Amino acid sequence: QVQLVESGGGVVQPGRSLRLSCAASGFIFRNHGMHWVRQAPGKGLEWVAVIWYDGGRKYYADSVKGRFTISRDNSQNTVYFQMNSLRVDDTAVYYCARVSLAPNQLGIDYWGQGALVTVSS
Amino acid sequence: QLVVTQSPSASASLGASVKLTCTLSSGHSTDAIAWHQQQPEKGPRYLMRLNSDGSHSKGDGIPDRFSGSSSGAERYLTISSLQSEDEADYYCQTWGTGIDVVFGEGTKLTVL
Repeated sequence: QVQLVESGGGVVQPGRSLRLSCAASGFIFRNHGMHWVRQAPGKGLEWVAVIWYDGGRKYYADSVKGRFTISRDNSQNTVYFQMNSLRVDDTAVYYCARVSLAPNQLGIDYWGQGALVTVSS
Repeated sequence: QLVVTQSPSASASLGASVKLTCTLSSGHSTDAIAWHQQQPEKGPRYLMRLNSDGSHSKGDGIPDRFSGSSSGAERYLTISSLQSEDEADYYCQTWGTGIDVVFGEGTKLTVL
């Protein structure tokens, strides 16, 4: 079955960096785009980044552009999220999510369980 | 600008039906969406993709009690025979024709 397992969350001081990983299994990883979506405490879902199936295209929400980088290693079935210059308002649970195979769309059809990132001094 | 609008809350009785609405912004009335459920203290779960013609494809293991329909710029999620575990937040997601990916603010469903 499809599994997405995030790791790398934790507590970090403002201005520091953190890298999240999402290990995928149960499907042909190289065929799917992947998203990162976050949820601040008590808030709704916020899309933050997407990477195409081959890593050739990457897009970011304005809130993280220039600070965060999405990447992937199709040989390791893993997608990464490098977060630099972290701010207190980046505190959230970060979910990786799979893009479905329907053509010309970025809908999510599977979610990971999430990784909590807390930015605090 | 691509925006999706959801009512913040809804309620219905155990065993009854409820219809949640996601409204697409002007110029996006033919876009598809996805519905996701988030039960308390859990991660989101994909329910279905819903097209403008009302056709939909559900995720693995999603009960028949969950269905989708469309009218104009509105996308609906209907849950019939409500059960206590249906009490959750429901989010719609859309992506337009480009790379704008947006979520609605979610509807909190209370099962009475």
